[in-house]
Parts: sequence; C-alpha cells; structure tokens
Amino acid sequence: EAGVAQSPRYKIIEKRQSVAFWCNPISGHATLYWYQQILGQGPKLLIQFQNNGVVDDSQLPKDRFSAERLKGVDSTLKIQPAKLEDSAVYLCASTLAGSNEQFFGPGTRLTVL
Amino acid sequence: GQQLNQSPQSMFIQEGEDVSMNCTSSSIFNTWLWYKQEPGEGPVLLIALYKAGELTSNGRLTAQFGITRKDSFLNISASIPSDVGIYFCAGQLGEAAGNKLTFGGGTRVLVKP
Repeated sequence: EAGVAQSPRYKIIEKRQSVAFWCNPISGHATLYWYQQILGQGPKLLIQFQNNGVVDDSQLPKDRFSAERLKGVDSTLKIQPAKLEDSAVYLCASTLAGSNEQFFGPGTRLTVL
Repeated sequence: GQQLNQSPQSMFIQEGEDVSMNCTSSSIFNTWLWYKQEPGEGPVLLIALYKAGELTSNGRLTAQFGITRKDSFLNISASIPSDVGIYFCAGQLGEAAGNKLTFGGGTRVLVKP
C-alpha cells in the first residue's frame, strides 16, 4: 500500500514570495491533516479536512495561509506572502474516517530567506 | 491551549542500555501515542494507549498511560544503534475533537561517541 505522498520535498524562497505544497493521502483515507513542524519542536496542527470539508482550521494563520481539498482526495497548502518564521517542515497526514491512527508523509522542508 | 512537556529533551544511549522518557500534560487526554521520527521522514506510530493505567509493549518498547490521564512514559530496553531518532508523545481527546493530535516537543536520542 502506497503511503502519503508530498511534493516538493524541499523548497527555498525569499520572504514575500508565494509557495504551494501538495499532498496525496493514502487511498480511501477520508481525513487529511496539515501540520507545521518548526526545527526542534513537535508538529503543530494547521488544518484538518474530512473529505472536502474543513473540520478545524483554528490554528491556521488565515491572513497568509490557505488550504483546499476540492475533490476530497489530494490537498494543497499555500503560503502567500511567506515570512521568515514560516521556515519549517510541513507534514501531511491522513487517516481512515473514525480511526485515530494518522499516517504521515515525509514532509516538505521550506526555507524562507 | 494544551501543552505537552517531554523530558529529557535529549539523551545519549550506549548499545544495550535501557532508556526512558516521559511526557506530562496540563490537561487530560483520552489517548496517548508515541511516535518516532527519523531525519527527512514523517513521524511513525510506535505505540497507542487507550486506557488510564494501561501498559503496552511493542518489541523492546514499553509505554504506560498514567493513572491521572495527564502523563505517559516510554521505555526502550536493550537499545541498539537504530533506536536513534526523535521520539514524540502525542495526546488525543477523541473523535468528537476530530482525533486531533497535540504533540510534545520531542526527546532526541543520540548514540554515545
């Protein structure tokens, strides 16, 4: 069974530029999560989708971050414009509906200069 | 918001040693989970605990869900070089809260030179 796929794996941008990350969850997983992991810290939830609907986006900085999962499968997370403090690894995770076991992708490491 | 404090922040292991780490919370959780993260990868679930007082093993790993539901510990017995990585505890309130994970700051396990 294929795991959670994320791309790109690495991205370097300058502050005030825009960037987008893509996630393809495990087939059949209805719930998708985006986490931000700053160096030396644990992952922090940004947004949770159930199919194509948002369940929780209370920790998403909505002035610059947006995410969508239009067809309830893959998802895109965007930052516009990026700030230096956005440098982090962005992890995507997915789970079957009703399950508590989240499977994580390898992450996208973002560096903002 | 809820905070999980993990200790120690880092530790050195020598092959064959037993090591332990713990996690405490300011509030209760219904599920405690332990993850391991290696460089360039997402966290991988090691052990899940569902009941206060529960003691669960997975090979050389043993974890316990504290009676107060505010803490958990993880033991690794007879450590080997591939145990190196970052170990995260995570708490979950349950399906009503979207199975959202709150992570600790991690314990970095390194090999003694």
